[in-house]
Amino acid sequence: GAGVSQTPSNKVTEKGKYVELRCDPISGHTALYWYRQSLGQGPEFLIYFQGTGAADDSGLPNDRFFAVRPEGSVSTLKIQRTERGDSAVYLCASSSRGPASSYGYTFGSGTRLTVV
Amino acid sequence: DQQVKQNSPSLSVQEGRISILNCDYTNSMFDYFLWYKKYPAEGPTFLISISSIKDKNEDGRFTVFLNKSAKHLSLHIVPSQPGDSAVYFCAASEEGQNFVFGPGTRLSVLP
Repeated sequence: GAGVSQTPSNKVTEKGKYVELRCDPISGHTALYWYRQSLGQGPEFLIYFQGTGAADDSGLPNDRFFAVRPEGSVSTLKIQRTERGDSAVYLCASSSRGPASSYGYTFGSGTRLTVV
Repeated sequence: DQQVKQNSPSLSVQEGRISILNCDYTNSMFDYFLWYKKYPAEGPTFLISISSIKDKNEDGRFTVFLNKSAKHLSLHIVPSQPGDSAVYFCAASEEGQNFVFGPGTRLSVLP
């Protein structure tokens, strides 16, 4: 597709369950980012991939969060033992350049995760 | 400790007038700045950027001004249109690092 695609658009899960969020970046974009946006806040950086490898995972809040991008295109963000505080919109973005690009990133519409 | 601040949560402007959205930052190492616009249920959309070697960048109705000594930037929209109503995020980065976003300002352009 022409844009960044994220699925599902909405996910409701029970506390303690495992969830996977998927991101399909723009074709050919080597850089992929995950951000999290809580209510009333701006997007908060989680992890950045350059190709298949995680170039910067310093934003992951704890070891319950993990992300993969095995073939350098689609990425999956995995959250184990979900907590109510994980409820947020998870945004994926891609770009043809690395961080700090003055061209910006292209964001998907996000996955709204609600942990009940 | 917020490195990027947008102290006005909301702003209302009459159609045709100028909208001025402000952003302040604390990290003097930031050298790239972006503005994003976000409509409900959509991801943020890149609007305009500026690097620290400039103090102004203009793209149509949108102009971004950077005052490095004050660690302040602003986005001017003129003339404002109802379709500009959205949440605007300021983002900043240090070379080679990922962008840090502000909390956003909700702009309402009244017809």
